[in-house]
Amino acid sequence: EAQVTQNPRYLITVTGKKLTVTCSQNMNHEYMSWYRQDPGLGLRQIYYSMNVEVTDKGDVPEGYKVSRKEKRNFPLILESPSPNQTSLYFCASSPPGRGHRTEAFFGQGTRLTVV
Amino acid sequence: DQQVKQNSPSLSVQEGRISILNCDYTNSMFDYFLWYKKYPAEGPTFLISISSIKDKNEDGRFTVFLNKSAKHLSLHIVPSQPGDSAVYFCAATRTNAGKSTFGDGTTLTVKP
Repeated sequence: EAQVTQNPRYLITVTGKKLTVTCSQNMNHEYMSWYRQDPGLGLRQIYYSMNVEVTDKGDVPEGYKVSRKEKRNFPLILESPSPNQTSLYFCASSPPGRGHRTEAFFGQGTRLTVV
Repeated sequence: DQQVKQNSPSLSVQEGRISILNCDYTNSMFDYFLWYKKYPAEGPTFLISISSIKDKNEDGRFTVFLNKSAKHLSLHIVPSQPGDSAVYFCAATRTNAGKSTFGDGTTLTVKP
């Protein structure tokens, strides 16, 4: 089954404790992206990757890191989480298309709470 | 500066009637627009898209209209069904740009 898989689905952690949220897709998509969803703010893009070893900042990259060492995986790293990073996180991937104008396939989300 | 806005946080319609969800954008460089639907505890799923060279795209019960001069797009659902109750996000992007910008979402409730 074609899918984007995020782990974990739920995570409660303490301020300053490094964590990684994994994202994997099995559709051979070149483009992957991370979003956070907060009440009243919709989906905001954190980082995106247009291909292996190519990553770039979205609208809210502060406090996050990513890496794209292989096509299928795009982990999101919080080196020193803070309570304002408590949010619902979504990973997405997109198939190749003209100018990257294609729809995104989203994972089921990771609800992160930083206390 | 919020470049994509959905000014109605919620919309309630009767089953069988038309649902119209609206989205406004400010960046004239956007040339591709998408609508996603999101159920609770799930990730968003793609619904329909439209290129800026078109003013209408239709897929079954869903039609998206684009008015470039007004920088406005709308999603029409006809007829609305209770299963359409969800949060709807519009998104905008530019050719060859990696960034996508989403609106805040509109919660649609379709009453039986």
